[in-house]
Amino acid sequence: EAQVTQNPRYLITVTGKKLTVTCSQNMNHEYMSWYRQDPGLGLRQIYYSMNVEVTDKGDVPEGYKVSRKEKRNFPLILESPSPNQTSLYFCASRYRQAGGTQYFGPGTRLTVL
Amino acid sequence: GENVEQHPSTLSVQEGDSAVIKCTYSDSASNYFPWYKQELGKRPQLIIDIRSNVGEKKDQRIAVTLNKTAKHFSLHITETQPEDSAVYFCAALYDKVIFGPGTSLSVIP
Repeated sequence: EAQVTQNPRYLITVTGKKLTVTCSQNMNHEYMSWYRQDPGLGLRQIYYSMNVEVTDKGDVPEGYKVSRKEKRNFPLILESPSPNQTSLYFCASRYRQAGGTQYFGPGTRLTVL
Repeated sequence: GENVEQHPSTLSVQEGDSAVIKCTYSDSASNYFPWYKQELGKRPQLIIDIRSNVGEKKDQRIAVTLNKTAKHFSLHITETQPEDSAVYFCAALYDKVIFGPGTSLSVIP
């Protein structure tokens, strides 16, 4: 089954404790991205990757890191989480060609205390 | 820069009525305009999309129209049902997908 998976689905942590949210897709998509969703602010892109070893900042990259060592995986790293990073996070992937359907992962609800 | 505006932010309709959500985009370079539906607690899912070489596309009760000259595109839902209640996002594809802020649709039985 074609899918995007994320782990963990829920996470409560404390300020400053490094964490990683994993994202994996099995559709051989070149393009992957991370979004955060906050009430009233819609979906804001954090980082995206057009292919392996190629990453670029989105609209709200501060406080986040990503890596793209393999085509299927695109982890999101919070080196020193802060309470303002409490949010719902979605990973997404699609083919790089224009008009490729973007598939979203199930979401990770992160709370930073 | 690239920006997508969406109106209204909230919309309530009676079951069976039609709902229309409108979006405008700033940069004419986009050729692909998807619409996503997000039910409470779930991920956004593509419901319909349109490419710039067509002006309208229908899929059962859902239709999307595109006016490239005016840089407008709209989602039309006819014969609304309670299960249509959700947040709807329009988007435009550039190097990345730019989303509108979303419309919360409530269908009242």
